Amino acid sequence: ETGVTQSPTHLIKTRGQQVTLRCSSQSGHNTVSWYQQALGQGPQFIFQYYREEENGRGNFPPRFSGLQFPNYSSELNVNALELDDSALYLCASSSGTSERKNIQYFGAGTRLSVL
Amino acid sequence: AQSVTQPDIHITVSEGASLELRCNYSYGATPYLFWYVQSPGQGLQLLLKYFSGDTLVQGIKGFEAEFKRSQSSFNLRKPSVHWSDAAEYFCAVGARGNKLVFGAGTILRVKS
Repeated sequence: ETGVTQSPTHLIKTRGQQVTLRCSSQSGHNTVSWYQQALGQGPQFIFQYYREEENGRGNFPPRFSGLQFPNYSSELNVNALELDDSALYLCASSSGTSERKNIQYFGAGTRLSVL
Repeated sequence: AQSVTQPDIHITVSEGASLELRCNYSYGATPYLFWYVQSPGQGLQLLLKYFSGDTLVQGIKGFEAEFKRSQSSFNLRKPSVHWSDAAEYFCAVGARGNKLVFGAGTILRVKS
């Protein structure tokens, strides 16, 4: 059984550019959630994908978008990068969308630096 | 709205000493509570979870946590800390739609 994998591990971009981060979910999981963890803070929920559809979104602007593929892997896209987008982006996979007895398993994250 | 408060930003304990990390939550329904640990430059590893039943839950690495509904707390404890426990610890509540709401974290330093 493979865990959650994210790529790339590190990324450096400049303001205004666009970035795509990738996540492969754990075997048997059909739900992927994305979180942003700014330096010195706890992770903040960006959005969740279930069966290729967005299923809930946190307080993030539309320039944060995502995709989920038939194999349940997922992408996070950020357009028009701003300095404040510099953070660790974490992907978590789980089975289903109910909070009842559901556990999210996290990848190691992608560290994005915006210059 | 759901929220989690971890009152201690930093805690320093001596190796071999006991540890308690505090967590208070705000959630209207029955909470599902989690503790995760994050080593520098790493993702989050699940230490333990509370869904229902026994209010004292055991986790990995010798950690345990106690759910106290009357105090809206879910404090993490370990009887004897090891140097390898130095990391950042996050308490989280499972909110509607299976999203997690995290506290700001507590950085644990272990002195020898």
